[in-house]
Amino acid sequence: ETGVTQTPRHLVMGMTNKKSLKCEQHLGHNAMYWYKQSAKKPLELMFVYSLEERVENNSVPSRFSPECPNSSHLFLHLHTLQPEDSALYLCASSQEMGLAGGQETQYFGPGTRLLVL
Amino acid sequence: QKEVEQNSGPLSVPEGAIASLNCTYSDRGSQSFFWYRQYSGKSPELIMSIYSNGDKEDGRFTAQLNKASQYVSLLIRDSQPSDSATYLCAVRGSSASKIIFGSGTRLSIRP
Repeated sequence: ETGVTQTPRHLVMGMTNKKSLKCEQHLGHNAMYWYKQSAKKPLELMFVYSLEERVENNSVPSRFSPECPNSSHLFLHLHTLQPEDSALYLCASSQEMGLAGGQETQYFGPGTRLLVL
Repeated sequence: QKEVEQNSGPLSVPEGAIASLNCTYSDRGSQSFFWYRQYSGKSPELIMSIYSNGDKEDGRFTAQLNKASQYVSLLIRDSQPSDSATYLCAVRGSSASKIIFGSGTRLSIRP
């Protein structure tokens, strides 16, 4: 596998379920990101990890819980979600964070399309 | 005021013409600017990045940056039907960790 992969690609869950989204990057990058993309809204940055440390938490509800066990893997644990959480969840990675010259360019995975019933 | 603003479109351009996409941003300390293309049902893919004032060309694409006017644009020459997509402008502002995306401009190239 190359680039950034995400599993599952599609997920339907009830409001009482617990599920996890997985992201893996094969690019040797040090920073990883979770974004939410809802219809007709801009991409919303949720979490940023740099060298496995969380450096950004954009006022995301606690029903979303990220985990970054190493620089190649990123998880988003979901529990007691609401229907308005239905969206495309995108993972991205970059070589470095906050450095110009191409090292901060983010590469996106294919996304997980989530439907909460 | 939105941090990164784009006209949502749709912008309809005839095949072979130049498509011009515009983006304004509010953080005067912004350092890095990106254009992504997103096909329907797919994830964003990077087209161009630009860091200094002026033009940057890559094939049929030219990014233009004017920091004084807080304006970045993307020109697509010889537009093809395969260029039909949503184009996202992204800006890294003063905060090193945060890249802000615009809501995107939907571009349609008509044959």
